[in-house]
Amino acid sequence: QVQLVQSGAEAAKPGASVKVSCKASGYTFSTYGISWVRQAPGQGLEWVGWITPYNGNMNYALKLQDRVTMTTDTSTSTVYMELRSLRSDDTAVYYCAREGRYCSGRNCDPPRHGMDVWGQGTMVTVSS
Amino acid sequence: QSVLTQPPSASGTPGQRVTISCSGSSSNIGNNYVHWYQHLPGTAPKLLIDRDTERPSGVPDRFSGSKSGTSASVAISGLRSEDEGDYYCAAWDDSLKNWVFGGGTKLTVL
Repeated sequence: QVQLVQSGAEAAKPGASVKVSCKASGYTFSTYGISWVRQAPGQGLEWVGWITPYNGNMNYALKLQDRVTMTTDTSTSTVYMELRSLRSDDTAVYYCAREGRYCSGRNCDPPRHGMDVWGQGTMVTVSS
Repeated sequence: QSVLTQPPSASGTPGQRVTISCSGSSSNIGNNYVHWYQHLPGTAPKLLIDRDTERPSGVPDRFSGSKSGTSASVAISGLRSEDEGDYYCAAWDDSLKNWVFGGGTKLTVL
């Protein structure tokens, strides 16, 4: 079945970096992108960014674009999200989610469907 | 402050019908699809309503979505105790080039 399996919980100090993985299975990896969504304690959902294995295109949330990098490894069907210069308000559960967008060449259209498959979530705790 | 506006809470008794609203603007709901997510305690969010009104496979027909202009809503009929959780609306925002979410509505089944 279609599945996204994320790496385990992370603890990091302010100013450090963290890298979370999301391994896809059960579908053709290159045909869907992956979005990352986070939820801080007691808060709502916040979109972090998106990447597609199809052409490497990415699209990051404005408030995080200076600190986040997403990459893909097509040999292992895995997507990575690295967040740098961590702050205490980055403490959150980070989810990866499958999200399709139509891409032609280097250009991708805005999404027309929601995120239909989600990983189990990875708790990232930033504390000194 | 979320770009999309939802009521923070909603409630109903078993069997009742409950509606949760979501208000946005022309750059998001007014020009793009709205999607709804159900987030139950201890689980990952689940796509509940896709593209304004479509139910993904496996979602009971007790759940329905609608949209008019820059507002959308999800209705839950025949309320059940297992529906208790948080509900989020989301839409693509053309100006921000971002997904935007509502702040979430906590549904309580009394």
